[in-house]
Amino acid sequence: GAGVSQTPSNKVTEKGKYVELRCDPISGHTALYWYRQSLGQGPEFLIYFQGTGAADDSGLPNDRFFAVRPEGSVSTLKIQRTERGDSAVYLCASSSRGAHTQYFGPGTRLTVL
Amino acid sequence: EDQVTQSPEALRLQEGESSSLNCSYTVSGLRGLFWYRQDPGKGPEFLFTLYSAGEEKEKERLKATLTKKESFLHITAPKPEDSATYLCAVLNTNAGKSTFGDGTTLTVKP
Repeated sequence: GAGVSQTPSNKVTEKGKYVELRCDPISGHTALYWYRQSLGQGPEFLIYFQGTGAADDSGLPNDRFFAVRPEGSVSTLKIQRTERGDSAVYLCASSSRGAHTQYFGPGTRLTVL
Repeated sequence: EDQVTQSPEALRLQEGESSSLNCSYTVSGLRGLFWYRQDPGKGPEFLFTLYSAGEEKEKERLKATLTKKESFLHITAPKPEDSATYLCAVLNTNAGKSTFGDGTTLTVKP
């Protein structure tokens, strides 16, 4: 079956611009996670949705970062006033209700010039 | 705060040379420990979930074990296609998020 998909696969933007990153979870998965991964490091938690609501957003680094999941399926991670330090691979994962295993998408590589 | 430390950072093996990767963790309450494989430019691929000390899981040349403080990923007679970064993560009983280590990059030479 179809796995987690993320678009775009690559995004290059200029410092100060606004970007949106999209995640399509596995069909039927109720939980959705966003992580950020820098080169040579493990994924760093950003935010976790259970259904439409953010169950834990403690990993969002500041108020420039925001994520939504309005219908409990697709999610969008929004970054305002991008900074060069935001450059990283942004990973999305989903899991089914009651299960703990997270299945990851291929990621979006964000480069802020 | 939950912490995960993986060692070594990098491991080079000859084809057929068995070895182990270590994942040491600190967590207030363990809901599960996960192993993932990550190839360059791709997202992590799920390998195993371990829930309690003493548990073991196997898949082809890989075997994962768990104690109260660490987990090992044993690789038996590795092949070049086993070359990848192996990530370990813990899930806290009080949280929905996972804490990842920085991974071990395995290179298997033919």
